[in-house]
Amino acid sequence: GAVVSQHPSWVICKSGTSVKIECRSLDFQATTMFWYRQFPKQSLMLMATSNEGSKATYEQGVEKDKFLINHASLTLSTLTVTSAHPEDSSFYICSAPVGTATEAFFGQGTRLTVV
Amino acid sequence: DAKTTQPPSMDCAEGRAANLPCNHSTISGNEYVYWYRQIHSQGPQYIIHGLKNNETNEMASLIITEDRKSSTLILPHATLRDTAVYYCIVRVKGNEKLTFGTGTRLTIIP
Repeated sequence: GAVVSQHPSWVICKSGTSVKIECRSLDFQATTMFWYRQFPKQSLMLMATSNEGSKATYEQGVEKDKFLINHASLTLSTLTVTSAHPEDSSFYICSAPVGTATEAFFGQGTRLTVV
Repeated sequence: DAKTTQPPSMDCAEGRAANLPCNHSTISGNEYVYWYRQIHSQGPQYIIHGLKNNETNEMASLIITEDRKSSTLILPHATLRDTAVYYCIVRVKGNEKLTFGTGTRLTIIP
């Protein structure tokens, strides 16, 4: 099946710094990608929809100035957590639908720890 | 998208069939039932989906009741690698957003 790759798999950063997470579609083009966040023992929560060539659409309650999304090409979307705080520590996951396929493909996730 | 209800956890003996129920009593006519699973610290994995007919693939079978208000995911011969959280999601085909509920944590017992 189609492959969605995230990088890095895990990252530890200091409070106040920014962290960039990449999501790549390896063998298909994705005009839309989705970013989710998952806290321990909780379900995935959709943060935003990343649109190639245009602004991302954020879900209610997600700060667009804190979670910067860039979808500059058909195979790459990036999520930058700016001025990270310990409460931003979470598991971040991206997904992309494949053409007319009915299922979404997910990246392996990025575990962010802010210290 | 319609809301789903799943039991929070289930155990199943290795080698036996695991039957995971999902209630979606408010499902509308154009909404499909999708199942995903998430193994610990990984991204979700698609399993199967259906509209009203029962479906089977190499991973699992999906049984949807005639009134479509509930469904059951069947893993015919569960292995330890099937231990995961299983999510039942209903959505309109083509709506690529997925809304995850709390899912069922399935533990396969040796």
